[in-house]
Amino acid sequence: KAGVTQTPRYLIKTRGQQVTLSCSPISGHRSVSWYQQTPGQGLQFLFEYFSETQRNKGNFPGRFSGRQFSNSRSEMNVSTLELGDSALYLCASSLQGANTEAFFGQGTRLTVV
Amino acid sequence: AQSVTQLGSHVSVSEGALVLLRCNYSSSVPPYLFWYVQYPNQGLQLLLKYTTGATLVKGINGFEAEFKKSETSFHLTKPSAHMSDAAEYFCAVSVKRDDKIIFGKGTRLHILP
Repeated sequence: KAGVTQTPRYLIKTRGQQVTLSCSPISGHRSVSWYQQTPGQGLQFLFEYFSETQRNKGNFPGRFSGRQFSNSRSEMNVSTLELGDSALYLCASSLQGANTEAFFGQGTRLTVV
Repeated sequence: AQSVTQLGSHVSVSEGALVLLRCNYSSSVPPYLFWYVQYPNQGLQLLLKYTTGATLVKGINGFEAEFKKSETSFHLTKPSAHMSDAAEYFCAVSVKRDDKIIFGKGTRLHILP
């Protein structure tokens, strides 16, 4: 079966711009989580959506937002980009949540200049 | 709130030697525990997970981990390292099935010929 697909794979944006990242989960998976990965910080949890509702939220500023559509595809938006937002953004999908295996996409590498 | 600490951001072992990656967790309730592996330029892949039941968990590629409640640990081991094991390894924790999964900062495993 098809894996988790994240688009685009690479992005370069300028400070102050906004960006939207997309994640298509594995068919049938209802949970989609987003993580920010930076060197030395590991994976930091952004938020999780389950059946179009935000179920869990991390400690990121309101510039980071997301949504999930009825087909479980999810988007993440970052407004007013800062240099520190440069990172690999990973999406993970699972059937239900933490008690079921999470499958990760290859990520979107965002560079803010 | 739950958290994970991985001891050692870099670990080097000789090919054929024992691999031991350390993970300690903090949780006020029985946790779900996970180990993930990330190869260069790829997303994360689940190695093994502990939810309930047997405390010794066997995973893919010859890895296993033991849940020790008294020590709040979930260390990852492999009897004999292989060059292909070189990657970054992440320990993660969650406290219930609809909760977020929190990751440690990762341990990069280097295999010496």
